[in-house]
Amino acid sequence: SQQGEEDPQALSIQEGENATMNCSYKTSINNLQWYRQNSGRGLVHLILIRSNEREKHSGRLRVTLDTSKKSSSLLITASRAADTASYFCATEVSGGYNKLIFGAGTRLAVHP
Amino acid sequence: EAGVTQFPSHSVIEKGQTVTLRCDPISGHDNLYWYRRVMGKEIKFLLHFVKESKQDESGMPNNRFLAERTGGTYSTLKVQPAELEDSGVYFCASSQFPENYEQYFGPGTRLTVT
Repeated sequence: SQQGEEDPQALSIQEGENATMNCSYKTSINNLQWYRQNSGRGLVHLILIRSNEREKHSGRLRVTLDTSKKSSSLLITASRAADTASYFCATEVSGGYNKLIFGAGTRLAVHP
Repeated sequence: EAGVTQFPSHSVIEKGQTVTLRCDPISGHDNLYWYRRVMGKEIKFLLHFVKESKQDESGMPNNRFLAERTGGTYSTLKVQPAELEDSGVYFCASSQFPENYEQYFGPGTRLTVT
C-alpha cells in the first residue's frame, strides 16, 4: 500500500458537523502536511506538523500526529459548505530531499 | 505576494507532439518541485530543483521528460514526444527552505494527450 493513505476515501456530512480525516504512513518523516483541493483547482496548503509536534491548530483545523503509530488526523470543526473539497496528506520523508509523498485523498462533501 | 503560477492552465495535444509547461515559483524561493497526477491516481513527485541545479530527479518517468530551470527562476517541463499515458495534471510547487518547510503549489496544468 502507499505511503500517506487517507481514510475515509469519501465523507459526507451536514453543515455545522465536524469532519475527521485520517492519514497513515510507513517511513520516518520530517513532517506531514495537509492540503485541500477544490474541484479542478490547485492545492492549497493548510497546515504542516513536524515530527516532534503532536498537535497543531489553525482556525477551525486541528491536526494531530502520532509518530509511534505513523498516523495523523485532520479535524475540521463546524464545517461549512465551502469546506467541500478533496483533502490530501503528504509526508516529507526523512533523508528524502524533502519531496512530498501524497495519499489518494479524502473527498469531503458538506451539505447545507 | 504572488503565488506559484503555471502556464498554460490546459493543453490538448496529439500523441507524438511536444508540449512545454512553465512554472514561475514564488519570488525568492530557491526550491522548485514538479509533481503530477495521472488518471485519478496519487499525486507523484517528479523532480526538485535547488536554484538551477537538479537536486532529485528520481521521479521522472522516462527520458521523454526534460525539466530545466535556467537562471534559477522559472522552470519548464518539456514532454517530447507525448504519449497517451502522460495525460494528467502537472503541478509545480516552491518552498523557501530545502527541508521541513511548506511547499506552495500552483494551480496546475491539465495536459490531455489524444
